[in-house]
Amino acid sequence: ELKVEQNPLFLSMQEGKNYTIYCNYSTTSDRLYWYRQDPGKSLESLFVLLSNGAVKQEGRLMASLDTKARLSTLHITAAVHDLSATYFCAVDIDSNYQLIWGAGTKLIIKP
Amino acid sequence: EAGVTQFPSHSVIEKGQTVTLRCDPISGHDNLYWYRRVMGKEIKFLLHFVKESKQDESGMPNNRFLAERTGGTYSTLKVQPAELEDSGVYFCASSQRVLAGVIGELFFGEGSRLTVL
Repeated sequence: ELKVEQNPLFLSMQEGKNYTIYCNYSTTSDRLYWYRQDPGKSLESLFVLLSNGAVKQEGRLMASLDTKARLSTLHITAAVHDLSATYFCAVDIDSNYQLIWGAGTKLIIKP
Repeated sequence: EAGVTQFPSHSVIEKGQTVTLRCDPISGHDNLYWYRRVMGKEIKFLLHFVKESKQDESGMPNNRFLAERTGGTYSTLKVQPAELEDSGVYFCASSQRVLAGVIGELFFGEGSRLTVL
C-alpha cells in the first residue's frame, strides 16, 4: 500500500526556535508537494520538489527532497507566530495530481 | 481573479439523506479534482475531471457518490444516501494544462464540511 507518513503530527514551539517536519513515503514519485492550511481556509501550495537533492526556500521555510531515502523535510528557521498552521506533504505518483497525502502536522508557535 | 469556490461551506444532514456539493473552478482551468479528508485521517483523492470527462475516478469510495461536470465548468458531488462515515471535509481543486501532458499548479477551494448525523 502506498503510504506517506509525516511526523510529528503535532508540534508546539516557541517563537525564534528551529524545527523540522519529516515526510517519508513508500514508493517512487515524480514529485513531492508541501501545502499549508490555515483553519477553515484552502490548502496553499508552498513547494514542489521534483528531483533528488532539490532544495527550495521561501522566507523561514526550507524544503528538501532525498528520493533515495524517500524522505522530504520542511525546516522552519526562527519560527514566528504567523507560521502557525497545518502543514501537509503529498506525493504525486503519476504527475497527474492523484496525490497521496500525509496526515498533516499541526504547528502551533507561541509568541 | 476569483479562486476556486465551494458551496456549501458546511452541511449538516441526517443519515440517509442526500447532499450535493458544488465546486466552481478557476475560469479556464480544464482540470478539476475532488479530495476528501475524513475526520482524523489523511486527505484522499476522489476523482479527476478533464473538462467534462472523468479522467480518473479510482478514489470514489462507492456508488453512493456521483460526480458530474456538465459543460466542463462547475462540478457537483452528490452523496446519496449519506452514511455516518461520509462525514468530513470535501476539497475541490483546479489546475490549468500548461503544455501537452503538463499540468500547472493546483489551486484549492476552502472545502465543504459535511456532517452526517
